[in-house]
Amino acid sequence: LAKTTQPISMDSYEGQEVNITCSHNNIATNDYITWYQQFPSQGPRFIIQGYKTKVTNEVASLFIPADRKSSTLSLPRVSLSDTAVYYCLVVVGGNQGGKLIFGQGTELSVKP
Amino acid sequence: GAVVSQHPSRVICKSGTSVKIECRSLDFQATTMFWYRQFPKKSLMLMATSNEGSKATYEQGVEKDKFLINHASLTLSTLTVTSAHPEDSSFYICSASPPGQGRNTIYFGEGSWLTVV
Repeated sequence: LAKTTQPISMDSYEGQEVNITCSHNNIATNDYITWYQQFPSQGPRFIIQGYKTKVTNEVASLFIPADRKSSTLSLPRVSLSDTAVYYCLVVVGGNQGGKLIFGQGTELSVKP
Repeated sequence: GAVVSQHPSRVICKSGTSVKIECRSLDFQATTMFWYRQFPKKSLMLMATSNEGSKATYEQGVEKDKFLINHASLTLSTLTVTSAHPEDSSFYICSASPPGQGRNTIYFGEGSWLTVV
């Protein structure tokens, strides 16, 4: 099973760009990388998903190198409301048979 | 967009009693739903996979007789914590994926706080 590793915590200031890297050395060919955001006492919320290279949406970018053994979530110009726990999720074994493995999560603290 | 809803959001029960938590997919049918538990400051831990019309698949170390899962319809899965004890107090979260999108597109419920006193 692909294990994921993330930094436990990160600090940032409003307006800065934040990059959170996740390692997933054993990712399989059909697996996608998905990042979620979780606020206290709420279910995780989808941020972005990718397979390779770069994916960008209205809230974040996801960078995945060619070997796909890691991925970096990039949050441009963070605000106080971005303070949350961010989880890297690798879906193992393709769409129909895999288990869901969460990283330990990165607690991002954005300061004024 | 796809929405998964849980009920209740918070529940307090006495030790030894059972409590049921519902997970509903509001605008899609889900043949498979997932149940997690989360302790404070910890990551989500997958407890079981709920399969519509068949038995749930439990992860290693999860007691199937204690955490009863029923997936009687394509939009509803229930988790019943039987003979609850204080150590069962936790945040329980469910998730589901719209048909055809498998586990690469997963929507989570709002979570349910269980406190056993």
